[in-house]
Amino acid sequence: GEDVEQSLFLSVREGDSSVINCTYTDSSSTYLYWYKQEPGAGLQLLTYIFSNMDMKQDQRLTVLLNKKDKHLSLRIADTQTGDSAIYFCAENGDYKLSFGAGTTVTVRA
Amino acid sequence: GAVVSQHPSRVICKSGTSVKIECRSLDFQATTMFWYRQFPKQSLMLMATSNEGSKATYEQGVEKDKFLINHASLTLSTLTVTSAHPEDSSFYICSARSTGSYNEQFFGPGTRLTVL
Repeated sequence: GEDVEQSLFLSVREGDSSVINCTYTDSSSTYLYWYKQEPGAGLQLLTYIFSNMDMKQDQRLTVLLNKKDKHLSLRIADTQTGDSAIYFCAENGDYKLSFGAGTTVTVRA
Repeated sequence: GAVVSQHPSRVICKSGTSVKIECRSLDFQATTMFWYRQFPKQSLMLMATSNEGSKATYEQGVEKDKFLINHASLTLSTLTVTSAHPEDSSFYICSARSTGSYNEQFFGPGTRLTVL
């Protein structure tokens, strides 16, 4: 969606950390989400962060939110081959989710 | 977690025919379901929001007579692509919203439509 922007591609070595960045425009968003999509499948919610939080950690996932700059990032520690997928950030403006174009993460051995 | 299913997962049809796609919430009640369309290597575009027992709300540019949506129960919404044409070929994904603390949407696995 045009209101949410992401980098399109990321290549990372297995075992390294991945960082996916996202910017959004709707300052009224209550929640911001990260979804994972594997080939030919639907979306799986990875994690979310409430807009009054700066950081959220969930096992290998760390979400950072800079509300002033409307910048969201997802860090995946110890990236594995199973992490290869498309990652979408999304914001919930009004009644619906607005998605970024998705970041294709490729994990190389 | 909550599960949403879609049927069929893949469908190939001839141009001019109609295709119905079902979206079901299996273990929760969904007062609202959403239908998205995804083109290859692109994001999800919201087509319409479906509320149980009422007419769907379509996004700008989506033809309501082309994409018929019915949300007859709290666990089922259907999308019918009428008089399908090759340009309707796409990946259609539904989601269902529970009434949880942050109104999370649970996504179905998607339906790949190919119109010949």
